Amino acid sequence: GAVVSQHPSRVICKSGTSVKIECRSLDFQATTMFWYRQFPKQSLMLMATSNEGSKATYEQGVEKDKFLINHASLTLSTLTVTSAHPEDSSFYICSARAHQDEQYFGPGTRLTVT
Amino acid sequence: EDKVVQSPLSLVVHEGDTVTLNCSYEVTNFRSLLWYKQEKKAPTFLFMLTSSGIEKKSGRLSSILDKKELFSILNITATQTGDSAVYLCAVEDYGNNRLAFGKGNQVVVIP
Repeated sequence: GAVVSQHPSRVICKSGTSVKIECRSLDFQATTMFWYRQFPKQSLMLMATSNEGSKATYEQGVEKDKFLINHASLTLSTLTVTSAHPEDSSFYICSARAHQDEQYFGPGTRLTVT
Repeated sequence: EDKVVQSPLSLVVHEGDTVTLNCSYEVTNFRSLLWYKQEKKAPTFLFMLTSSGIEKKSGRLSSILDKKELFSILNITATQTGDSAVYLCAVEDYGNNRLAFGKGNQVVVIP
């Protein structure tokens, strides 16, 4: 199956700083990438959908100025959590799909904001 | 808004038992229903179901979809401790290209 990677797998940062998470499709071109957030013992909540070369579509309640998404190429999308706060601590997961194929998930990034 | 409800939310079984997990859904333009297994990291794909009544099998796991009654079940037979995980059900809507996830079924298999 297709492989999606995320980097870093784990990051700890101080409150007020920004953190960038990368999501790459390694062996296919992803026309669409999705960013999810998962709090402990909760399900995956979609944050935003991004198509290569266009602005991301954010879900209701997700601040686009706080969670900056860039999908500059068909194999890379980045999520930047700006001015991070402890309540942003979560497991962030990306997924990627080519056209109407199924979504392939990355391994996730655990963010801890101290 | 698309909605996915899974039951039971959690259960504990003994090795060798059979587990049946339920997923009911409401979606505007149904495209597919997917089952994932999540252990400590991101979900891993199990099944994609698009047609009613056709069982999909992979080893001890099987799943079937009923598009008339809007639900799916995931069965695990002869459970092993390695089956302990959260099983996530998601539905995809043609209209918005997104997956809506349920809260998951947490399964604990004890020796």
